[in-house]
Amino acid sequence: EAQVTQNPRYLITVTGKKLTVTCSQNMNHEYMSWYRQDPGLGLRQIYYSMNVEVTDKGDVPEGYKVSRKEKRNFPLILESPSPNQTSLYFCASQKRWGEPQETQYFGPGTRLLVL
Amino acid sequence: AQSVSQHNHHVILSEAASLELGCNYSYGGTVNLFWYVQYPGQHLQLLLKYFSGDPLVKGIKGFEAEFIKSKFSFNLRKPSVQWSDTAEYFCAVKANNNDMRFGAGTRLTVKP
Repeated sequence: EAQVTQNPRYLITVTGKKLTVTCSQNMNHEYMSWYRQDPGLGLRQIYYSMNVEVTDKGDVPEGYKVSRKEKRNFPLILESPSPNQTSLYFCASQKRWGEPQETQYFGPGTRLLVL
Repeated sequence: AQSVSQHNHHVILSEAASLELGCNYSYGGTVNLFWYVQYPGQHLQLLLKYFSGDPLVKGIKGFEAEFIKSKFSFNLRKPSVQWSDTAEYFCAVKANNNDMRFGAGTRLTVKP
C-alpha cells in the first residue's frame, strides 16, 4: 500500500531533550516536506526536500533540522525542543518538485508535547 | 508569495443541510487549488483538486468546488451533509513556484 508513515505518533518530552521524528514513504517520491499544524493557523511548512541531499527552509524553520540521506526517509530533528514547538506535525511527499499539479500525500501526524 | 483565507472557522450544520465553505487566495498568476479533509484523529486526505478546464470540480464523497477566477475563490460545496462529514477542511493553493500554502482550516460539525 502506498503510504507515508511517521513515528512516533505521540510524544511527550521535556525542554532541551533532543528528539527525532521519522518519516518514510514507499512511493519513490522525490519531494518531501514537513509541516506543523496549530489551531487557527492551518499548516505551515517547516522544511522541504526536493531530492536526496537537497533540503531547504520553509516558512517556520527555526528550531528544526532535517536530513535527506535516502530518498524514502526525511527525519525531522529538534535539537533542543521548547514548549512553543508543541504541535501536530505532518510529513508529506509528492512525486516530483516543480510540478504544481502533483498531489501531496500526508502521513498520519505526530502529536508532540514539550513540557 | 500566495496566501489563502478561509473565513469560516467553525460551521455547525444539521444533517441534510447544504454546505458551502469559503476559500479565497491572493496570487495573480496561474494556481492549482486543492481541498483536503482531516477527519478526527486522522491525516489529511485529498477531497478534490483543480488544475485547468471546467471550473466546477467534483471530488469524492459528493463534494464539489467551483473555481471563480475573477473572485480568486475556490469554494467547497455539498448539497446534503451527513454526520460522517464532521471534520476539518483545508483549502490549499500551489502556484507555479510549487510552494503549497494552506488556509487556517474550517471545522465542520454536523449534528445528527
